[in-house]
Amino acid sequence: TQLLEQSPQFLSIQEGENLTVYCNSSSVFSSLQWYRQEPGEGPVLLVTVVTGGEVKKLKRLTFQFGDARKDSSLHITAAQPGDTGLYLCAGAVQGAQKLVFGQGTRLTINP
Amino acid sequence: GAVVSQHPSRVICKSGTSVKIECRSLDFQATTMFWYRQFPKQSLMLMATSNEGSKATYEQGVEKDKFLINHASLTLSTLTVTSAHPEDSSFYICSVRHGHEQYFGPGTRLTVT
Repeated sequence: TQLLEQSPQFLSIQEGENLTVYCNSSSVFSSLQWYRQEPGEGPVLLVTVVTGGEVKKLKRLTFQFGDARKDSSLHITAAQPGDTGLYLCAGAVQGAQKLVFGQGTRLTINP
Repeated sequence: GAVVSQHPSRVICKSGTSVKIECRSLDFQATTMFWYRQFPKQSLMLMATSNEGSKATYEQGVEKDKFLINHASLTLSTLTVTSAHPEDSSFYICSVRHGHEQYFGPGTRLTVT
């Protein structure tokens, strides 16, 4: 059973456009992480959100954790070709050490 | 800088042989490490949780006798793929949890011929 539904799974847009990736669940998470992965490399941690309603910004990336800590979004403004990659959300279920991963969003930014 | 290292980064082995992959936590001690595998164009799949000084906890469907995990110290966990077959070819990634964050190694590409 997939606890984290990530959408869209594929997204191809032009440079300069904005985009949003969503992660939704019926489960409550004690924390949620967003990662970016390049081909042949391990995922790199972008951000961790812990508090319901929390918003974190990382340059052109804005991360939001839902009030009920069941969902999260990643918004990228003015996307650049360097943003191309696989974006993964992962949630930590309360009381468990392991992470639950979304299916991933393969993002392509065309020059 | 890197928080987690893996060795080797790539390995090719013949069917029937065994391969050992090392995962090291560089910045802090880790009583728990995680092993994942990832198939092309897919997300990460947790294989097992490695516990320092005790037995690993395997996810459903993962054969513990085939994927041997040894967490002998607070900074090193090893995954040995025994009697490897071509279907074991995959990208294996370890991770270390520190507080709320989980950091991943660079991965090991295993190809079984």
